[in-house]
Amino acid sequence: EDQVTQSPEALRLQEGESSSLNCSYTVSGLRGLFWYRQDPGKGPEFLFTLYSAGEEKEKERLKATLTKKESFLHITAPKPEDSATYLCAGYNTDKLIFGTGTRLQVFP
Amino acid sequence: GAVVSQHPSWVICKSGTSVKIECRSLDFQATTMFWYRQFPKQSLMLMATSNEGSKATYEQGVEKDKFLINHASLTLSTLTVTSAHPEDSSFYICSAKDSPYGYTFGSGTRLTIV
Repeated sequence: EDQVTQSPEALRLQEGESSSLNCSYTVSGLRGLFWYRQDPGKGPEFLFTLYSAGEEKEKERLKATLTKKESFLHITAPKPEDSATYLCAGYNTDKLIFGTGTRLQVFP
Repeated sequence: GAVVSQHPSWVICKSGTSVKIECRSLDFQATTMFWYRQFPKQSLMLMATSNEGSKATYEQGVEKDKFLINHASLTLSTLTVTSAHPEDSSFYICSAKDSPYGYTFGSGTRLTIV
């Protein structure tokens, strides 16, 4: 069965304290791995798509990487406005399979 | 960038009534749209895939007679929750495929049945 697992479930960081979020996947015929940010009461906001192992993408303080089994979202020197739930999703046969997300809190 | 508008953002209905949620692609044509349901602190669960001009494909365990989906145009899909009950209360989110590998999400609808 296709599955996407994220860890940790929740993460509290002090402003400036870098860390990484993990997304492990077993998705047959994976064609892409997506990262989204979701604020409370809002829909997911697109961050990155990774297509092949070894690929990396960056946006401001965020960097996403992909291996054959997992993806990481690295957050460098986070700020309070980075607080949100980060979702990863595997894509195959026209469907996104979401993980349960990591709730990130960054406090001053 | 691609924009998907979802309306209403929240709605409160009495038990037994039906409620319709709209999902519009504003600046692109979407032949495929998706409807998700999200419970508090949980991930998005795909309910159904909606294709313009054809019947929706429902995921296992989703009652198609309760959750009616219509995708009559390339920019509009609707989800109607029929004879709603308190257990149908949830956060509903739509998304549209805006490119071969791109999905844009609406802002979600908080549905509360009282």
